[in-house]
Amino acid sequence: QKEVEQNSGPLSVPEGAIASLNCTYSDRGSQSFFWYRQYSGKSPELIMSIYSNGDKEDGRFTAQLNKASQYVSLLIRDSQPSDSATYLCAVQNTGNQFYFGTGTSLTVIP
Amino acid sequence: DTAVSQTPKYLVTQMGNDKSIKCEQNLGHDTMYWYKQDSKKFLKIMFSYNNKELIINETVPNRFSPKSPDKAHLNLHINSLELGDSAVYFCASRQQGANTIYFGEGSWLTVV
Repeated sequence: QKEVEQNSGPLSVPEGAIASLNCTYSDRGSQSFFWYRQYSGKSPELIMSIYSNGDKEDGRFTAQLNKASQYVSLLIRDSQPSDSATYLCAVQNTGNQFYFGTGTSLTVIP
Repeated sequence: DTAVSQTPKYLVTQMGNDKSIKCEQNLGHDTMYWYKQDSKKFLKIMFSYNNKELIINETVPNRFSPKSPDKAHLNLHINSLELGDSAVYFCASRQQGANTIYFGEGSWLTVV
């Protein structure tokens, strides 16, 4: 079992819609969770981090964490074509190492 | 200035060759990583170094040997390259105690 699992997609949403990205992790003791965005041919960049259960909002992005279910999600409201990218979920586990999911490819259709 | 820089960015080489990828970070971080990203976008950790000491080696073949001459540099040497080594290799760094990982721009390795 991989440390972090994501649906690889691809996920397509129309411009202006809400995109929902999901992630599960295996190490129940993990404390820190992240979403990275990776444009084609570029390196991953951090867009959100979340450490406690519940929702965390930053502009059009909302990260949601449920530690009991070992589940992390990212909602992108009012999706824009510029949001088209691969979104990588990352988890910092109890060994203080960072593990990434396989990424979900998102396409926002104008 | 680029915070985490890798060279070369592109590398095409034949099977059986030995090659190196260099990485330098100017952020003053004490933890550095090598990640491998395959064609399916899976970003897999290979090595983690903290203050020049190897912390983790995630079931990487011993053809891969990291070398850290100082805490600002983490180079990756690969012996006897195989077709399956074709991937993008990302160097990254992080300050111990902080949660943000900074990635280099990646090195595209193609083995033919």
